[in-house]
Amino acid sequence: GAVVSQHPSRVICKSGTSVKIECRSLDFQATTMFWYRQFPKQSLMLMATSNEGSKATYEQGVEKDKFLINHASLTLSTLTVTSAHPEDSSFYICSAPGGAGETQYFGPGTRLLVL
Amino acid sequence: DAKTTQPNSMESNEEEPVHLPCNHSTISGTDYIHWYRQLPSQGPEYVIHGLTSNVNNRMASLAIAEDRKSSTLILHRATLRDAAVYYCIRAYGQNFVFGPGTRLSVLP
Repeated sequence: GAVVSQHPSRVICKSGTSVKIECRSLDFQATTMFWYRQFPKQSLMLMATSNEGSKATYEQGVEKDKFLINHASLTLSTLTVTSAHPEDSSFYICSAPGGAGETQYFGPGTRLLVL
Repeated sequence: DAKTTQPNSMESNEEEPVHLPCNHSTISGTDYIHWYRQLPSQGPEYVIHGLTSNVNNRMASLAIAEDRKSSTLILHRATLRDAAVYYCIRAYGQNFVFGPGTRLSVLP
């Protein structure tokens, strides 16, 4: 089946620094990718939709200047957490729609810890 | 999604059937119902999805109420590897709205 990868799998950074997370569709193209955030023992919450060739669309309450999204190609979307703070520590997961159009393929997630 | 409810947790014995319920009373006519499961520190894994009719695949069955306000994921014979958090998801277009999830424990 289709595979979505994320890099890095986990990252620890100091408060105030920026962190970039990559999401790649390995064997299919994705004009749209989705970024989710998941806090411990909670469900996934959609943060934004990444669109190849145009601006990302953000969910209500998500700061677009803090969470920069770039859909560089049909197989790559990046999420940059700028000026990270401890409250940004979370599990970040991306997904891409599959060729069938109905299902989503999720990446393995990136664990971010901001000290 | 506040409009989708699932029990917080359920337990099952190994090799017995498990019925995981989900209420999605405000679902619209074109929204699909998806079920994914998630192991700790991993991304969600597809289980099954449907629109109106009941669905079966090698992993599970999905029973959808006639009014579509609820659905039930059925694992026919739970194994220890089925222990996970199961999410009921309302999908409109490519947009997924996750329910709160049910943590399934499988007892040997």
